[in-house]
Amino acid sequence: GQNIDQPTEMTATEGAIVQINCTYQTSGFNGLFWYQQHAGEAPTFLSYNVLDGLEEKGRFSSFLSRSKGYSYLLLKELQMKDSASYLCAVRLRSYTGGGNKLTFGTGTQLKVEL
Amino acid sequence: NAGVTQTPKFQVLKTGQSMTLQCAQDMNHEYMSWYRQDPGMGLRLIHYSVGAGITDQGEVPNGYNVSRSTTEDFPLRLLSAAPSQTSVYFCASSYSFRGSSYNEQFFGPGTRLTVL
Repeated sequence: GQNIDQPTEMTATEGAIVQINCTYQTSGFNGLFWYQQHAGEAPTFLSYNVLDGLEEKGRFSSFLSRSKGYSYLLLKELQMKDSASYLCAVRLRSYTGGGNKLTFGTGTQLKVEL
Repeated sequence: NAGVTQTPKFQVLKTGQSMTLQCAQDMNHEYMSWYRQDPGMGLRLIHYSVGAGITDQGEVPNGYNVSRSTTEDFPLRLLSAAPSQTSVYFCASSYSFRGSSYNEQFFGPGTRLTVL
């Protein structure tokens, strides 16, 4: 089956850097997404990796190692508004002619403190 | 553009009742999907569609039906509601979800459903 693991909770200080890890064991890997979800709201897209390496986007960066089944999301210069749940999602290739499917981890609840 | 819209925002049902959760998008997206989100379980795929007239099952399809008669709309039907279907339901869409090309999924605001 498909398995995606993330830490349940993390706490960090405003202005600091935090790294949220995601490991996955899946068949038919076809890309990895990171989403941010504030309480009571819908998930919003942060980043996408399909090849190994680092993708940087402002204060957010995401890294992927396909051989290790590992990704991380790096958040720099943390702000209070970054307190949210961060969801790792793996896109799985469909062999039935339909579209690819997205499988989510359970999310990491990040709390940013003063 | 309104993006992805969902109605209703909140709903309370009694066990055995049926209802339809509505989802619409105005971005001409090919791919649409339904997820449920439960505490500690993450988002789980219920059904998805790669275009009008084409649907397929996701991870947790039992108790739910879908159809896709137009590109814009993708309703989710609960045939006979059960307390286990109490959840937050999200609809999402993207331009395409084939190959390995980047295509962001846009999520609707969600429907919070309680089944008593």
